[in-house]
Amino acid sequence: EVQLVETGGALIQPGGSLRLSCAASGLIVNTQYMSWVRQAPGKGLEWVSLMYSGGSRYYADSVKGRFIMSRDNSKNTLYLEMNSLRVDDTAVYYCATVTTTWPEYFQHWGQGTLVTVSS
Amino acid sequence: NLVLTQPHSVSESPGKTVTVSCTGSNTITNYVQWYQQRPGSAPTILIYEDDQRASGVPDRFSGSTDSSSNSASLTISGLKPEDEADYYCQSYDGRYHWVFGGGTKVTVL
Repeated sequence: EVQLVETGGALIQPGGSLRLSCAASGLIVNTQYMSWVRQAPGKGLEWVSLMYSGGSRYYADSVKGRFIMSRDNSKNTLYLEMNSLRVDDTAVYYCATVTTTWPEYFQHWGQGTLVTVSS
Repeated sequence: NLVLTQPHSVSESPGKTVTVSCTGSNTITNYVQWYQQRPGSAPTILIYEDDQRASGVPDRFSGSTDSSSNSASLTISGLKPEDEADYYCQSYDGRYHWVFGGGTKVTVL
């Protein structure tokens, strides 16, 4: 059974940095396509980033240049490093697996971790 | 950039049929997926590749597309109280960006 557990959410001041983790079980992260999706309080889903098994990474325009997605194969864990945080980055951040065949969609989801950016 | 627009909310009585629309700002050239998000829970995949039900999804849920209106639809028939949730459409906009609709709250009266 696939399980994704996100941790690292916190209250952080604008301009600060934070690293989220997504520990995976039931799959090997470096053989998967993985993604981060966020949801601001009371709002809809927003795709944030995606990493292919080969290592290519893509980001939403709203986070490009500020967020970095990475993985640690030895820990079977995905990360999202968030820098220059803004108030509008406040959201629950979900990690998700992405199907490796077309169409690429978000198949398994974690329960999310809350990031609050506020002074 | 592709923008997917959904109605904010729809409501219907138990046993009835409800349809949620998802309209593209321009031609939706890639497949559309649908996700269900119950209150306090993470989203789950319902429909992929326009009209394919994900594993374990009852056949009361169906997806379709209409190229003439540049839209996709999720239909829930035989509405049940447990269907009360938020529903999101999603597609790929062709430049390594994945897009979600704004979500529709389905209320079972």
